[in-house]
Amino acid sequence: EVQLVESGGGLVQPGGSLRLSCAASGFTFSSSDMHWVRQATGKGLEWVSGIGTDGDRYYSDSVKGRFTISREDAKNSLYLQMNSLRAGDTAVYYCARAHDYYCMDVWGKGTTVTVSS
Amino acid sequence: EIVLTQSPGTLSLSPGERATLSCRASQSLSSSYLAWYQQIPGQAPRLLIYGASSRATGIPDRFSGSGSGTDFTLTISRLEPEDFAVYYCQQYGSSPLFTFGPGTKVDIK
Repeated sequence: EVQLVESGGGLVQPGGSLRLSCAASGFTFSSSDMHWVRQATGKGLEWVSGIGTDGDRYYSDSVKGRFTISREDAKNSLYLQMNSLRAGDTAVYYCARAHDYYCMDVWGKGTTVTVSS
Repeated sequence: EIVLTQSPGTLSLSPGERATLSCRASQSLSSSYLAWYQQIPGQAPRLLIYGASSRATGIPDRFSGSGSGTDFTLTISRLEPEDFAVYYCQQYGSSPLFTFGPGTKVDIK
């Protein structure tokens, strides 16, 4: 079964850091571009960051310079290091696999990040 | 940056009815770059349509996508109870890599 499982969410104070992980199974992780998408409560979807199979990294303007995406193909894992967190970063963070046609076809259930004092 | 607008914001329909959802882009985009997702409250998004009109794996044929340029449509031919959800369109660009529309909620009339 193709599956993505996120972990690492939690409550953190403004200015703090958190590292999210995404464990992939059921497909060839090393051959897939991967992304993080977030959703604040009651709001829409916002693409956060992506990483290609070649290691190229992409970020939204809202997280550039604060978040770092990485992958470890030997462990079938995707990561998101989040620094200098703000209240506006509070959201459910989804890990997603890129589809060949410029979209995302497999999603995890998400992990919740709350930034609050 | 291409901005996506979805209409209506909410669509109130009964099971068995036809739903027509609109997604408009602020600039023309390739049909290859337009996708639709369904999100049921409390769940992750599910890919429905890619390349504007191709159904994703396992998606029933009551879902169809069409359109080109700046105007795209998702049609649900006959609403089933499990189809009441929020629908998002998404486009692939350069910066940011992906943007989503604000969503259309399809609820039970």
